[in-house]
Amino acid sequence: AQKVTQAQTEISVVEKEDVTLDCVYETRDTTYYLFWYKQPPSGELVFLIRRNSFDEQNEISGRYSWNFQKSTSSFNFTITASQVVDSAVYFCALSPASGGSYIPTFGRGTSLIVHP
Amino acid sequence: DSGVTQTPKHLITATGQRVTLRCSPRSGDLSVYWYQQSLDQGLQFLIQYYNGEERAKGNILERFSAQQFPDLHSELNLSSLELGDSALYFCASSLGPGGGTESNEQFFGPGTRLTVL
Repeated sequence: AQKVTQAQTEISVVEKEDVTLDCVYETRDTTYYLFWYKQPPSGELVFLIRRNSFDEQNEISGRYSWNFQKSTSSFNFTITASQVVDSAVYFCALSPASGGSYIPTFGRGTSLIVHP
Repeated sequence: DSGVTQTPKHLITATGQRVTLRCSPRSGDLSVYWYQQSLDQGLQFLIQYYNGEERAKGNILERFSAQQFPDLHSELNLSSLELGDSALYFCASSLGPGGGTESNEQFFGPGTRLTVL
């Protein structure tokens, strides 16, 4: 069985602060994918990143960066110099990459509030 | 804009009633997925269709059913509604049948917010 834990229910920061959202996962699969999605107040789910389990390189996209550590089963997401528009609920998700069932398991989400 | 459309955006109904939620996938996508997002359960996968056939089933209640039509749009039918069915229902689509490859990346629609009174 797969499990994704986002221990931080809510994080509140002031604009321009850096913030890291934690994601810890459990899986018995040897190959899998990890995802981050953003859900702004408007409600839609916006895809941010997908990471293969065999690729542990960190990734940076603008102010966003992701730290994948297989040894600790973590896939953390950092926003540098946060902005008010970053306020949203962020979901981490995990799906197998083989075996026929590719449905992602989502964490409960972390609500990020960025104050001006 | 993901290219996935869902109607209606909001739906308010009473307990015991039946509703139908509609989803149109992105152009060219063959898979449609349905998810339920509620405060107590989080984001839960319900069911997936690929090219008209049921592909995977999750935590979908027997009171709920879905289908995918030849034009690839999908409908989720919820019957004998209960207060606990109030949630945001998402549809997502992907090109392929599943997996994490690029062709199977899921694009989510804006959701239908269902309120059962």
